[in-house]
Amino acid sequence: GAVVSQHPSWVICKSGTSVKIECRSLDFQATTMFWYRQFPKQSLMLMATSNEGSKATYEQGVEKDKFLINHASLTLSTLTVTSAHPEDSSFYICSASWMGPSQPQHFGDGTRLSIL
Amino acid sequence: RKEVEQDPGPFNVPEGATVAFNCTYSNSASQSFFWYRQDCRKEPKLLMSVYSSGNEDGRFTAQLNRASQYISLLIRDSKLSDSATYLCVVNMENQGGKLIFGQGTELSVKP
Repeated sequence: GAVVSQHPSWVICKSGTSVKIECRSLDFQATTMFWYRQFPKQSLMLMATSNEGSKATYEQGVEKDKFLINHASLTLSTLTVTSAHPEDSSFYICSASWMGPSQPQHFGDGTRLSIL
Repeated sequence: RKEVEQDPGPFNVPEGATVAFNCTYSNSASQSFFWYRQDCRKEPKLLMSVYSSGNEDGRFTAQLNRASQYISLLIRDSKLSDSATYLCVVNMENQGGKLIFGQGTELSVKP
């Protein structure tokens, strides 16, 4: 069964809207979760590392004020795309490892974001 | 140079064929390696970890050559259900488990 749950799975909204995506670890605690973005025909690109109780670490070129990450508990990280525009339309996926950083990560189902 | 490079394909093969995917990585500090499978418009799913000694899981065999910084995946007796994109993934354990993905190799198995 799924070990990482992501919600919502699909979002369509108007330009300028802020969208919050949730990532939950099921039955395990994840001090670290990861947020990825994938454009069509491209691979996953890490956006940021979400750390429980501290600030997220963003990859180069990812605007931290645009993509707000909150990891307030050991089982929940949220990504908020603020004032989304059509170019933010993408597939957003989170992941977590329940056995530590050296072990395979499990991915959420992903959120398909479409900004009109 | 990309950190993880794969041949994007597509690889079009008949059922029952054997197909091999290659992957190279640039960061010698990379510490663990995986193959993930991604179906269209779905999240990646772990196929198998890759070890220096080589490992096999049914029809799938993975190999790692640290000296050459090269990873491979062999699929024997291809099934229609093997059609997917195969992602070569490197885990930077010393960066908290950050994953670096290759661009993926697309496989299409035909009847």
